[in-house]
Amino acid sequence: AQKVTQAQTEISVVEKEDVTLDCVYETRDTTYYLFWYKQPPSGELVFLIRRNSFDEQNEISGRYSWNFQKSTSSFNFTITASQVVDSAVYFCALSEARAAGNKLTFGGGTRVLVKP
Amino acid sequence: DAGITQSPRHKVTETGTPVTLRCHQTENHRYMYWYRQDPGHGLRLIHYSYGVKDTDKGEVSDGYSVSRSKTEDFLLTLESATSSQTSVYFCAISESGQYNSPLHFGNGTRLTVT
Repeated sequence: AQKVTQAQTEISVVEKEDVTLDCVYETRDTTYYLFWYKQPPSGELVFLIRRNSFDEQNEISGRYSWNFQKSTSSFNFTITASQVVDSAVYFCALSEARAAGNKLTFGGGTRVLVKP
Repeated sequence: DAGITQSPRHKVTETGTPVTLRCHQTENHRYMYWYRQDPGHGLRLIHYSYGVKDTDKGEVSDGYSVSRSKTEDFLLTLESATSSQTSVYFCAISESGQYNSPLHFGNGTRLTVT
């Protein structure tokens, strides 16, 4: 069965530091997508990025970047030069091609606290 | 923002009472989902729907039922609420059932069962 593990429960940094969030997943499917969501203190869930299993090219989008390594089943997410507004809970999620209905499996989340 | 409205936003109820949560969408998306969020567990799928009157169970469906009589509405019912169902419930929608399609979430309903 699919599984997503976010070993870090909470990370605290000072503003302008970089923050890297770890995500490790398990799946028997060879075709899948990985996602990152953000949940700010206001409680809503916001889709950030997605990556398919065939594209291991790392990318940068503004202050966000992600490192996808199929060999280690990891999909890490980095916030560069963190800001107070980045304080939130971040969730990693997996969607398998063979699973009908696009059902996402989420990790337990990592709470990021950015102090001024 | 995706047009998803959950109601009520907060509810306190007693053990053994029935509770219905509503999710309403204005996007005309075919797929709708109910998740619950609990500390340490992230979000877990309760039920989902792939069309009017078409629903299926998720990972934690025991004690819950759903109904979808219209494209825009997806109801989650706790037939007899228990304290273990105290949680934050999120509704989500997806334009397609394809695995590459991100889910878009409502603002959640905080349910407390006393």
